[in-house]
Amino acid sequence: NAGVTQTPKFQVLKTGQSMTLQCAQDMNHEYMSWYRQDPGMGLRLIHYSVGAGITDQGEVPNGYNVSRSTTEDFPLRLLSAAPSQTSVYFCASSTDRASSKNIQYFGAGTRLSVL
Amino acid sequence: AQSVTQLDSQVPVFEEAPVELRCNYSSSVSVYLFWYVQYPNQGLQLLLKYLSGSTLVKGINGFEAEFNKSQTSFHLRKPSVHISDTAEYFCAVSDPYRDDKIIFGKGTRLHILP
Repeated sequence: NAGVTQTPKFQVLKTGQSMTLQCAQDMNHEYMSWYRQDPGMGLRLIHYSVGAGITDQGEVPNGYNVSRSTTEDFPLRLLSAAPSQTSVYFCASSTDRASSKNIQYFGAGTRLSVL
Repeated sequence: AQSVTQLDSQVPVFEEAPVELRCNYSSSVSVYLFWYVQYPNQGLQLLLKYLSGSTLVKGINGFEAEFNKSQTSFHLRKPSVHISDTAEYFCAVSDPYRDDKIIFGKGTRLHILP
């Protein structure tokens, strides 16, 4: 049982490049989410999904796309990277609903730098 | 919309001394409250949570928090800290009647001084 796995751990991009951050969980969790963490800003929700085929926007969705074709995977796509997207990205999952009694499990993070 | 405020961005404390990390949330009829810890270069993990019932909640690693509805606070405490408690601590809140998201505070970095 690996929990929540994020790849890659580190990535450097040039402005305008696109890429996909991968997130997979093996706990059969329905709820998955993506956060970005910036110094002094805490964690800000980018997108979330309450189940396969269902996604919704969080607090800071601009410049990011998500899809949820399976329960296990929730990739985050940067369409055209900008320096403002330099951050640490965390994926999290929980059993069904984020606001219920369920604990969110976090991946180890992806450190992204956009030059 | 729910919000949470962590009043201190950094808290230095001597080893074996007590510590309190402060958290206030925006008022609501009902809330779920959480404290998460992030050790260096790791993801977040749950320390403790308040859902209902007793206002004093005990978590892992000797931490506890008290839910105070009148003051809309959920402060985290530990009677004696250890060097291994060096981490960033996040308070979070969610609305039990909405199934969308948990709102995190900006975090408090705990520095343990030898």
